[in-house]
Amino acid sequence: EVQLVETGGGLIQPGGSLRLSCAASGFTVSSNYMSWVRQAPGKGLEWVSLVSSGGNTYYAESVRGRFTISRDTSENTLYLQMNSLRADDTAVYYCATDRGLLIFSDWGQGTLITVSS
Amino acid sequence: EVGVTQSPATLSVSPGERATLSCRASQSVSSKLAWYQQKPGQAPRLLIYGASTRATGLPARFSGSGSGTEFTLTISSLQSEDFAVYYCQQYSNWPLTFGGGTKVEIK
Repeated sequence: EVQLVETGGGLIQPGGSLRLSCAASGFTVSSNYMSWVRQAPGKGLEWVSLVSSGGNTYYAESVRGRFTISRDTSENTLYLQMNSLRADDTAVYYCATDRGLLIFSDWGQGTLITVSS
Repeated sequence: EVGVTQSPATLSVSPGERATLSCRASQSVSSKLAWYQQKPGQAPRLLIYGASTRATGLPARFSGSGSGTEFTLTISSLQSEDFAVYYCQQYSNWPLTFGGGTKVEIK
């Protein structure tokens, strides 16, 4: 059974940094496309970043240059390093996966990031 | 960026009735369109991909259609568990983009 568990959320001041983790089980992270999708409070879904099975990375314009997606094969874990955080980065961050169609077939439960002073 | 627009924003439907949700892309995405359902406090759930292929285990009352720029999600007979927010997503072009969602509420 595929399972994704995000951790690392919390309250952070504007300009700060945070790293999210997504521990995967039931499949191999490096064999799948892995994404981060976020949802601001009361708002819709926004794709943030993706790493392909081949290791190529993609970012939404709103986070490019500030966020970095990576994975650890030995830990079977996906990461999102978030720097220069802004108030509009406040959201629930979900990790999600698919085998390569650029859709999101499995999701974690999400972790809330609040950027506020 | 491919804009994705969903309509209506809110759909009021009685249980047992049909619900028809629309999704429009600002340029052709071929059949690279997916639908998701999200209930309060839960992560989204994949329903449909390839515009019309049901995800594993999805009841047959859910169906998707369309290609190019116009897509439809139809729920043939709404059950109590179907009242939720529905999102479409295009995966033809970077960046991947979602529609703003349609809330299906009980009439």
